[in-house]
Amino acid sequence: QQQVKQSPQSLIVQKGGISIINCAYENTAFDYFPWYQQFPGKGPALLIAIRPDVSEKKEGRFTISFNKSAKQFSLHIMDSQPGDSATYFCAGDTNAGKSTFGDGTTLTVKP
Amino acid sequence: KAGVTQTPRYLIKTRGQQVTLSCSPISGHRSVSWYQQTPGQGLQFLFEYFSETQRNKGNFPGRFSGRQFSNSRSEMNVSTLELGDSALYLCASSLARATEAFFGQGTRLTVV
Repeated sequence: QQQVKQSPQSLIVQKGGISIINCAYENTAFDYFPWYQQFPGKGPALLIAIRPDVSEKKEGRFTISFNKSAKQFSLHIMDSQPGDSATYFCAGDTNAGKSTFGDGTTLTVKP
Repeated sequence: KAGVTQTPRYLIKTRGQQVTLSCSPISGHRSVSWYQQTPGQGLQFLFEYFSETQRNKGNFPGRFSGRQFSNSRSEMNVSTLELGDSALYLCASSLARATEAFFGQGTRLTVV
């Protein structure tokens, strides 16, 4: 049973545009929601993360919006750049040490 | 500060063989988690170790096992390899559960 649904599967954005990736979860035991960025041939790297007691977190061009009642969260990348082209994964972590990942979104930012 | 180191980076094995992968976490990190990444199944949790104890395990057959040493280094072992075990195996370390995790570059295992 997939517990984190991520959409879209792929996304093409023009340079300077806003990229939006959405995730929905089922497991209410999740208490930490990280987003990872992965480039080809590399392991995922933590981009930004949020806990469920916060509705929004911003770090530079990256913002997480979190809706606890809807069990949804999203990543917004402002002023998208070609260097942002990568695969993005959302995840839900429980205090039991298990991370559940979304299927990933391949972002392409066209110059 | 050195990152998470996984060895080897690439591995080719034959069906039926066994393989051992190694992960050295960031200094001071006692939690080590393993993941399998494939194009079809995405990132799937294998197991998590903390202070030499396996605290959580994903839905993988018993052919997949692991251990953690007193210096927090971890190994995972896959016995009786199958073609479907071909994947990128990733290790992540963190200070504690549900905190920032740092991934290694992974070991690309190909089973032929």
